[in-house]
Amino acid sequence: GQNIDQPTEMTATEGAIVQINCTYQTSGFNGLFWYQQHAGEAPTFLSYNVLDGLEEKGRFSSFLSRSKGYSYLLLKELQMKDSASYLCAVAGAAGNKLTFGGGTRVLVKP
Amino acid sequence: GAVVSQHPSRVICKSGTSVKIECRSLDFQATTMFWYRQFPKQSLMLMATSNEGSKATYEQGVEKDKFLINHASLTLSTLTVTSAHPEDSSFYICSARPPAGLAGGTDTQYFGPGTRLTVL
Repeated sequence: GQNIDQPTEMTATEGAIVQINCTYQTSGFNGLFWYQQHAGEAPTFLSYNVLDGLEEKGRFSSFLSRSKGYSYLLLKELQMKDSASYLCAVAGAAGNKLTFGGGTRVLVKP
Repeated sequence: GAVVSQHPSRVICKSGTSVKIECRSLDFQATTMFWYRQFPKQSLMLMATSNEGSKATYEQGVEKDKFLINHASLTLSTLTVTSAHPEDSSFYICSARPPAGLAGGTDTQYFGPGTRLTVL
């Protein structure tokens, strides 16, 4: 089966850094994705990790440790527009379906 | 690249009627599209995988006779909610996987803007 865990909510201050953790237990692994979703909108792709290590893309970075079944999304220099839900998703070995975690709602305060 | 559109964006219908939602990949061909449902403050739940030229693969617990999926071409998949009831009210989102070579690897899915269905 697939099990993906991430915190439900996080609050941070504008300009600060927030780290969203995601742990997973899946029967196969073909990559981990992070998506951003604003309320009432569809998710937008942020990052993809399939090898261990850190992937940096502007203010957003994503880290993966396959041996630990662990990833995090790091948001730097937070802006008010970063208030959204962040979804962790794993592609399993079979069929390339994505299994999503419950999402982490991030609230950025002034 | 990798733009996915959905139509309509919002629909309100009476209980017992059927509603069709279209999902199109605008700048790439997608042999596989996915349909999700999302209830308020919850994550995405995969309903089915839509395969061009063949039958859709439904997730456990999803009624295939109620949620009809047709993937008529490499750029279009449709979801028809038949005999809709108030409990079917939800946010329906489709996604498509572009060919290998685009950012994010071969399993990256790009999402349509979603369709909010309200059944009265």
